[in-house]
Amino acid sequence: DIQMTQSPSSLSASVGDRVTITCRASQGIRNFLVWFQQKPGKAPKSLIYAASRLDSGVPSRFSGSGSGTEFTLTISTLQPEDFATYYCQQYISFPLSFGGGTKVEIK
Amino acid sequence: EVLLLESGGGLVHPGGSLRLSCAASGFTFTDYAMNWVRQAPGKGLEWVSGVDYRGVSTYYADSVKGRFTISRDNSKKTMDLQMSSLTAEDSALYYCMRASSTTTGGVWGQGTLVTVSS
Repeated sequence: DIQMTQSPSSLSASVGDRVTITCRASQGIRNFLVWFQQKPGKAPKSLIYAASRLDSGVPSRFSGSGSGTEFTLTISTLQPEDFATYYCQQYISFPLSFGGGTKVEIK
Repeated sequence: EVLLLESGGGLVHPGGSLRLSCAASGFTFTDYAMNWVRQAPGKGLEWVSGVDYRGVSTYYADSVKGRFTISRDNSKKTMDLQMSSLTAEDSALYYCMRASSTTTGGVWGQGTLVTVSS
């Protein structure tokens, strides 16, 4: 089974900051990685799929990169509505697996 | 618009059973594998089970193997999760999730709450 490890588990940042979240896979997953954003009381929403492709309607300040075992999600200029929890998930094979999440909080 | 609507959650006693359903609309159901993902209060996301687009191949997390059964009816555009031998550790919000693909990330329903308690 593939383990997904996210870091950090939480971070504090200010509006306008650049934020980077890392996700590592225990074995190579090529680019079969998706990033989800979850706000309190809401279902997760896809931001990035195939490691670097922006999903429909997602602001361009979000970007993803990486391949194989190491991936990053970057928010170029943090906006108030971006304070949320972010999860990575591999979908190259079952069982699917999620990272533990990164909570982005207001500094 | 892609919509996934879960139903069937509720309060059940330990050892009991429950059947969850997910109704899909707004996309070609047979183009996608489907999954159940759960989230315990204040916790992260845990994949539970998945089924391929045909409904032939099914997959389970170790934590539910032998107790949960996933199925889909492509003619009705629905997916079910039959849960048995429930324990308190199964208490969570259960989400229906359309699989990620080459053209889009996963799509989620709003979830249905399962509470296992005496």
